[in-house]
Amino acid sequence: SQELEQSPQSLIVQEGKNLTINCTSSKTLYGLYWYKQKYGEGLIFLMMLQKGGEEKSHEKITAKLDEKKQQSSLHITASQPSHAGIYLCGAGYYGQNFVFGPGTRLSVLP
Amino acid sequence: EAGVAQSPRYKIIEKRQSVAFWCNPISGHATLYWYQQILGQGPKLLIQFQNNGVVDDSQLPKDRFSAERLKGVDSTLKIQPAKLEDSAVYLCASSLDHGPEAFFGQGTRLTVV
Repeated sequence: SQELEQSPQSLIVQEGKNLTINCTSSKTLYGLYWYKQKYGEGLIFLMMLQKGGEEKSHEKITAKLDEKKQQSSLHITASQPSHAGIYLCGAGYYGQNFVFGPGTRLSVLP
Repeated sequence: EAGVAQSPRYKIIEKRQSVAFWCNPISGHATLYWYQQILGQGPKLLIQFQNNGVVDDSQLPKDRFSAERLKGVDSTLKIQPAKLEDSAVYLCASSLDHGPEAFFGQGTRLTVV
């Protein structure tokens, strides 16, 4: 969708390195969601952020919502091969359907 | 708890043929979604059901796509006739309410040749 942009489009990192994925909205966010997708499979819900400045963590993945900038970042610490996949952000907009970003493809080299 | 079940996992058909996908949501989930995900893109919502009623089908190409959810449980998505550009992964998801915190199936990968 054009409402959500993600960067980078793809990312290759060495195991153990930290990385950040960004999601930027062209409209005011009412909630930002992060999903992970293994190639050819369904989506796994990671986290939901609703308030500006909110930050949530799950294992080595941390997501933050900067509501003023209408963007969110997903940070992975000490990446592992199990982190590889496609990370998608999703958002709901007033009067619109829920939409997804184009995704960021992450590869982690052992 | 059993997850969202979809079948088949893979399907290859020729253009102009028909195809149907099946989805069994998590028990008790009233909301069911069908998404189309073209390679390299994020999922696009095709249709959303609340029980057996359609909430939103604004992005469903109704000249060739149809979906139903009889008895508010299982759902089928049909394409007739298929076009090359229909090649994609079709994802089914369900949730307890309208929220996007939905649970996704593994998807059906359709290849139209």
